[in-house]
Amino acid sequence: AQRVTQPEKLLSVFKGAPVELKCNYSYSGSPELFWYVQYSRQRLQLLLRHISRESIKGFTADLNKGETSFHLKKPFAQEEDSAMYYCALSGLEGNTPLVFGKGTRLSVIA
Amino acid sequence: DTGVSQDPRHKITKRGQNVTFRCDPISEHNRLYWYRQTLGQGPEFLTYFQNEAQLEKSRLLSDRFSAERPKGSFSTLEIQRTEQGDSAMYLCASTRMTGITIYGYTFGSGTRLTVV
Repeated sequence: AQRVTQPEKLLSVFKGAPVELKCNYSYSGSPELFWYVQYSRQRLQLLLRHISRESIKGFTADLNKGETSFHLKKPFAQEEDSAMYYCALSGLEGNTPLVFGKGTRLSVIA
Repeated sequence: DTGVSQDPRHKITKRGQNVTFRCDPISEHNRLYWYRQTLGQGPEFLTYFQNEAQLEKSRLLSDRFSAERPKGSFSTLEIQRTEQGDSAMYLCASTRMTGITIYGYTFGSGTRLTVV
């Protein structure tokens, strides 16, 4: 069974400080990991996926299969980063629907 | 094409009534997913389609829930005999799958259901 754990419900940081949103997963197959973001009053948007190894809006995430983690990082937080962040998991085989964590609310304080 | 559309945006219904939601995916997307999201939780998977075939429905919350995608384009989610616990945001997402490669999901804005 798939499971995604985001241990922090809320993370508050000061503007300019580094950010790390934690995500751990459990999956017996080959995982594909995603981060989705939801800004206030907007729909869920894909932020990044591990397979593309992109950096979006300064955020990066590295898949660590040994620790079964996919933490989201940004070196310098900006106020516009305040949002709800969801880590999600599916199988690389393509037949496993996306499973989400409960989300972490990031609040960047000016 | 402006993305995934869901209708209605909000629905208030009395307990015991039936409700139906519609989702129009991005036109070239062959996969369509339904999720439910309650306050403080991440989206919870309900069911999904590849074209018109429903590939997974065991996670529909009860036999009061059903979904269709009759022509492989838009989809409907129906809840019969609604209960107050059905109050939630219902999200639709679509994506394209080619071979074994699946692309990121695109989500709609959701339908917020309130059962009174």
